[in-house]
Amino acid sequence: KAGVTQTPRYLIKTRGQQVTLSCSPISGHRSVSWYQQTPGQGLQFLFEYFSETQRNKGNFPGRFSGRQFSNSRSEMNVSTLELGDSALYLCASSLASGLETQYFGPGTRLLVL
Amino acid sequence: AQTVTQSQPEMSVQEAETVTLSCTYDTSESNYYLFWYKQPPSRQMILVIRQEAYKQQNATENRFSVNFQKAAKSFSLKISDSQLGDTAMYFCAFGAPGAQKLVFGQGTRLTINP
Repeated sequence: KAGVTQTPRYLIKTRGQQVTLSCSPISGHRSVSWYQQTPGQGLQFLFEYFSETQRNKGNFPGRFSGRQFSNSRSEMNVSTLELGDSALYLCASSLASGLETQYFGPGTRLLVL
Repeated sequence: AQTVTQSQPEMSVQEAETVTLSCTYDTSESNYYLFWYKQPPSRQMILVIRQEAYKQQNATENRFSVNFQKAAKSFSLKISDSQLGDTAMYFCAFGAPGAQKLVFGQGTRLTINP
């Protein structure tokens, strides 16, 4: 079974631009969570989607948004990029409603100049 | 809110030695899950081991085992017969049922030397 895939793997943007990251979960997994990883703040939870609904959200500004499609694929959008948004963005998928184990994708490395 | 603390930023051992990574957490939940994830230089986060809080028996996965002390809120990872491929950042993570949100520690950078 294929693992979690994320595209693109690397991105370079400039301040003020917006970016969209994509995540395809493991087949059969319906929950997708997003995390931001930076050297200073470590791994921080952004949000989680299940059946196209956002169920949980971390403490990030409204510039960070996401959505999930009927096939469980998820996208994350960051508008008006800031230098501090440079990070590794990790997507994780799990089966369903309980705290199933989360399996991570390889991440998207975003650099904001 | 839950917190996870890893007090060892870096550790280094020789190949074939046994190493223990420490993790403590704080929560008021009675039912929860604890995980150790490994992140090698490729940055891919890989599950090492999982422990359910309601289980008294410590989880084991081949060379990896945990020492789960619920009352002390401690969850350490022991790696036996360490191998060069074990070199990575190791993260301890806490999850509460229904939240689908993991709270991570700051990580321990483990280096296995030949």
